[in-house]
Amino acid sequence: GDSVTQMEGPVTLSEEAFLTINCTYTATGYPSLFWYVQYPGEGLQLLLKATKADDKGSNKGFEATYRKETTSFHLEKGSVQVSDSAVYFCALSDRSTDKLIFGTGTRLQVFP
Amino acid sequence: DGGITQSPKYLFRKEGQNVTLSCEQNLNHDAMYWYRQDPGQGLRLIYYSQIVNDFQKGDIAEGYSVSREKKESFPLTVTSAQKNPTAFYLCASRLALQETQYFGPGTRLLVL
Repeated sequence: GDSVTQMEGPVTLSEEAFLTINCTYTATGYPSLFWYVQYPGEGLQLLLKATKADDKGSNKGFEATYRKETTSFHLEKGSVQVSDSAVYFCALSDRSTDKLIFGTGTRLQVFP
Repeated sequence: DGGITQSPKYLFRKEGQNVTLSCEQNLNHDAMYWYRQDPGQGLRLIYYSQIVNDFQKGDIAEGYSVSREKKESFPLTVTSAQKNPTAFYLCASRLALQETQYFGPGTRLLVL
């Protein structure tokens, strides 16, 4: 079945460092891809999404490009802030079942 | 204010007790979902409902029950058959023709 694999965390960075969180997927079709962010004790918030190959999703300085050839959707940010500390989830939509399939999440810790 | 509300924020269950978690949305979304989140793990789907008076089991439905009598409400009951209920429970919803799910703030269930 469809699946999402994320890099293990935690990712620890200093403020203003460059961020990459890797996400790869396995899918039989052409799913939409998502990044959600979860701050401590809260629900998930949609960060960005892409619906087809070569689409780039972006929001709040974060970007991710839908790469069909490498089945990847890596999250990047040029300069992280302490307020970016959270858990980031990569997900894909299974269009045959209308479900989202999530990775296990990657915790990001940013220190001043 | 449009959104998804979950109550209570914290819930304590005694042995052998059934408890019900509330999820309400005023976004006029068609589909609603319940997920369970355990520490260090991704989200696992418990139940989902695409229309009123209809719902389907997710990946971990055993020990849980739901109802969908109104479009805006999708309560989850954690029954005494669920032997390990301690977790963070998240409700989500979406419009019928869109893939993006939007999440509530979550309910943390603890066993006394």
